[in-house]
Amino acid sequence: AQSVTQLDSQVPVFEEAPVELRCNYSSSVSVYLFWYVQYPNQGLQLLLKYLSGSTLVKGINGFEAEFNKSQTSFHLRKPSVHISDTAEYFCAVSETGTASKLTFGTGTRLQVTL
Amino acid sequence: DGGITQSPKYLFRKEGQNVTLSCEQNLNHDAMYWYRQDPGQGLRLIYYSQIVNDFQKGDIAEGYSVSREKKESFPLTVTSAQKNPTAFYLCASSIGPGIQETQYFGPGTRLLVL
Repeated sequence: AQSVTQLDSQVPVFEEAPVELRCNYSSSVSVYLFWYVQYPNQGLQLLLKYLSGSTLVKGINGFEAEFNKSQTSFHLRKPSVHISDTAEYFCAVSETGTASKLTFGTGTRLQVTL
Repeated sequence: DGGITQSPKYLFRKEGQNVTLSCEQNLNHDAMYWYRQDPGQGLRLIYYSQIVNDFQKGDIAEGYSVSREKKESFPLTVTSAQKNPTAFYLCASSIGPGIQETQYFGPGTRLLVL
């Protein structure tokens, strides 16, 4: 079975600074990888996803992530954050051929301040 | 506008009471999912349905029940057997089984115990 680890429960950062949110996964087979964002008391919105092909994936709101198979990682990055990026970010994994069943990490709270 | 609606936004349950959470989608998706979100634990899969009149247990199905009589609807009942129901419940849908596509999420229902 697959699992996802988001080691940082909270990441404080100043506005306009770069940020990296870490995600590591474990699986014995090929995987699909996702990053979702959740604003307070709302559902989840897809930021980006890796299914195949280029390991550098660009998403919405200026975010990007890089799939590293050897390190089993899928870290999320943004070169310059904005106050409006304050939210909870979830990494998720799905094993190929398992009908879209997602396993989520425990989330990272990104807090952007002036 | 296509999307997923969940109602109510807030729901209160008394001891020993069954309550039903509504999830409706007009995206013409075959697959639908229910997740439970607790602080610091990410999202955990309760039930999922890949097609009408069929559903499978997820990781934490005990104390919950579902039905899938219509393609667009996937209601979740929290039964009295669920001893710790206080959580944020999220419904999601995707195009279909065996197809690795994005899961789209509703706005969620927060369940509280009186």
